[in-house]
Parts: sequence; structure tokens; C-alpha cells
Amino acid sequence: GAVVSQHPSWVICKSGTSVKIECRSLDFQATTMFWYRQFPKQSLMLMATSNEGSKATYEQGVEKDKFLINHASLTLSTLTVTSAHPEDSSFYICSASVTSGGRGDTQYFGPGTRLTVL
Amino acid sequence: EDQVTQSPEALRLQEGESSSLNCSYTVSGLRGLFWYRQDPGKGPEFLFTLYSAGEEKEKERLKATLTKKESFLHITAPKPEDSATYLCAVRSRSNTGKLIFGQGTTLQVKP
Repeated sequence: GAVVSQHPSWVICKSGTSVKIECRSLDFQATTMFWYRQFPKQSLMLMATSNEGSKATYEQGVEKDKFLINHASLTLSTLTVTSAHPEDSSFYICSASVTSGGRGDTQYFGPGTRLTVL
Repeated sequence: EDQVTQSPEALRLQEGESSSLNCSYTVSGLRGLFWYRQDPGKGPEFLFTLYSAGEEKEKERLKATLTKKESFLHITAPKPEDSATYLCAVRSRSNTGKLIFGQGTTLQVKP
């Protein structure tokens, strides 16, 4: 149980183009999904928190116009990197939270998407 | 400010050599401490959640414990397939829903 998928697993694009990454919870409904970014040999950096049907909450320093997040349903959230540049190249990981018996939520992570911008 | 520090940064063990990973935390009201395993190029895999001091959880060769200031991940008789980066994260009352991650401990188990 608690399986999260991401698509695509990797993508290469040209500078200036936009890229959309999908995050799906396969066997549960997630009221909240999170988007992280991870650079080589570093830990996860939270970019934004996404709740179904409402606007995402972005962390300080994350450009909301560049990283568009849509949480259209309880099982799908998308991250669109607009006008991508080489410095946006990174490993993007989503997670979906599941309530654990009233003690709070547990986040389950997707397999990640490797974005390379040329 | 909530903070998580993991040590050591890297650990090399021989197969069968037991050891412990440390996660020290400072939070304003702990609402859960989480351990994840991450393999290279993959997303973190959930291992354990601990909520209160004295709590312990076990899974195969792994055992997680929690005090008011730190958590330990004990690895008993590790195998090469236990090689991975182990991440510790906390959730606090002031950061509802968010996880604050440590930098991780990269474990290498040699046969």
C-alpha cells in the first residue's frame, strides 16, 4: 500500500521550454502532496505544499511563477517548470501524505524525476 | 527554529558489523520523527515513524529508538543490500505537515 508514482522518470529539454511532471498516489487518496528538489549529495529541499482544490503554498525563495503546481484531484498533482534553464536541472521528488490512525500524516515518496536542461 | 543533524555523514561497515546512526533534533513540539532509506537515483522509502520518547520500532535488521533529543537507527549484522543513504526527518507543531530533513548518513556495507 501507499504507492506513489511519478512520470516521467527522466526528461531532457532545451533551455526556454516548459516541462510537466506528474505525481500520482496509486492506492490511496492524498489530501496533501509535497514537491521537493534534491541536488547531488544533498538532502531534500521542500519547494511547495499542495492541497487538493486550492493554491499551493510555496517555500521562501521558490518562484511560484516558474514552478507551477496544480493539484487537480485527490490522486494527482503536477509540477510544471516553465521556461526551464540549465540551473533548473535537478532531481524532483513528490510525496503524498496519508493519515496514520489519528497520529498525524506519513509522507510516501515517488521515485523522482531527473530533469536535465540543455 | 526546527533543526535536524545526522551523524556520521558517511559510514563504512563490513558485512555483519553492527552499528548505529544518530539523528539529533531541536523542534518546538515533536509531532513525529521519521526514518527513510534512499537508494541512488530513487525517492526515499519510508521505514519508521516514532512519536514519543522511549518508543522503539523494528524491521528486519533495523531498529529505531527515540529520546527527547535524538533518535538512533541501529543496524544489526548488516548486509551489502543495506547500503543506502538513511534520512531522518521531524515534524513539529510549528511546521504542521512539513518535514524537516537532516543531511543523511550514507552507509556502505562491504561483503
